[in-house]
Order: sequence, then structure tokens, then C-alpha cells
Amino acid sequence: GENVEQHPSTLSVQEGDSAVIKCTYSDSASNYFPWYKQELGKRPQLIIDIRSNVGEKKDQRIAVTLNKTAKHFSLHITETQPEDSAVYFCAASRRSEKLVFGKGTKLTVNP
Amino acid sequence: DVKVTQSSRYLVKRTGEKVFLECVQDMDHENMFWYRQDPGLGLRLIYFSYDVKMKEKGDIPEGYSVSREKKERFSLILESASTNQTSMYLCASSLGRAEKLFFGSGTQLSVL
Repeated sequence: GENVEQHPSTLSVQEGDSAVIKCTYSDSASNYFPWYKQELGKRPQLIIDIRSNVGEKKDQRIAVTLNKTAKHFSLHITETQPEDSAVYFCAASRRSEKLVFGKGTKLTVNP
Repeated sequence: DVKVTQSSRYLVKRTGEKVFLECVQDMDHENMFWYRQDPGLGLRLIYFSYDVKMKEKGDIPEGYSVSREKKERFSLILESASTNQTSMYLCASSLGRAEKLFFGSGTQLSVL
């Protein structure tokens, strides 16, 4: 089955810097790659997703890139703000199959 | 907005007790999921359901069962609670299979 590895497990940046979180997946047939953000004490929420027919997707300060050949995808956050502090989870799935999540990255943005 | 409601935010149970965790969604979603969240281990899928009366095992089903008698309700059952089942339990639903998950606010279960 699918296996998703996520790195780093913790990441600390200064406000205004960029943050990058990377995930690798094992199943070359996976075609859906979402990212979820979980603030302290709250539920995970989808922030951005990408499907395998595109290489990059942006939404304001966040972007996701996908390299199908290397089987990895990354979340990029620019101009980080304290409210970006949270745990971020990547996930992968084949069409019509269950999501497999990475173990999460705790991002801390220092003012 | 989709609402996924879990019946309890905090629950304390004794070892050996039968525990029911309830989840209700209000958006007529076909798919419902139960995850367990532990620090450093991420979100692990326990059971899921793509239709009423249908259930499938996830990655860590041992010690759990589920029930989906109605489309909007998905229950997780711990037949005989053990201390290693102390965890945060998250319910989620989605319209399609590889689609956005909507999570409930979670139930922090402590088994003493």
C-alpha cells in the first residue's frame, strides 16, 4: 500500500521567512495530494491540494509543487506569520481510494 | 458550511468498558472515516465507510468496530477499552472518495 514520509518533523522560522515541508510517496499510481493544517486544539483543515495532472498550485502565500518522477511534493509558505504556526499534514491517495497521511510537521513562526 | 459533530470532547473510561464514540455529519456525505491521532504518529485510519451499512478496515482496526446504520451517523466502538487506546479520535466525512475531508473537533479519550 501507499506510504508517505514527511520531513522535517519540526520547523522553526522567523516571521517573514519562507517555510518548506517535503513529502515523499511510494505508490506511483497516487494522483491526489492534499495538505491539512491543524492549529493547536483545533481540527485539521484542508489548506491546499494538487492533482497529478498539474505540477504547481498557488493560493496567496502558500503553494504546493509536485514532482511525479521523483514521487515527492512540497508545501511552500512565503512571508510566514505567527498565525501560520500549526501542525501540517501531507497526504496521498489513488483515485477513489483512502488517503494516507504523513506524520506531520510542527511549524513554529517566531515573531 | 459542513458540520461534523462528535458527541464528546473529553471522555474518561475504565479498562474493560465498552465505549461508543458518535459522529454525525449534516451534508449528506457518502464517505465517513475514523482516525486516531497520537503525537509523532500523525493521523492513522481506523475504519471507514463509503455507504450506509458498509464498513472497511483501515490501517489500525484491531480492538475497534464501527456501525453505520444511517448515512449521517458513523459510530466507533471500543469493545473492551484498554490503556493503549488512550488517544485523540477524529471523525471525518467527504463527498467523494479522493476529496476534501471535513473533520470533527475530536474526542480526547482517556482509558484508566
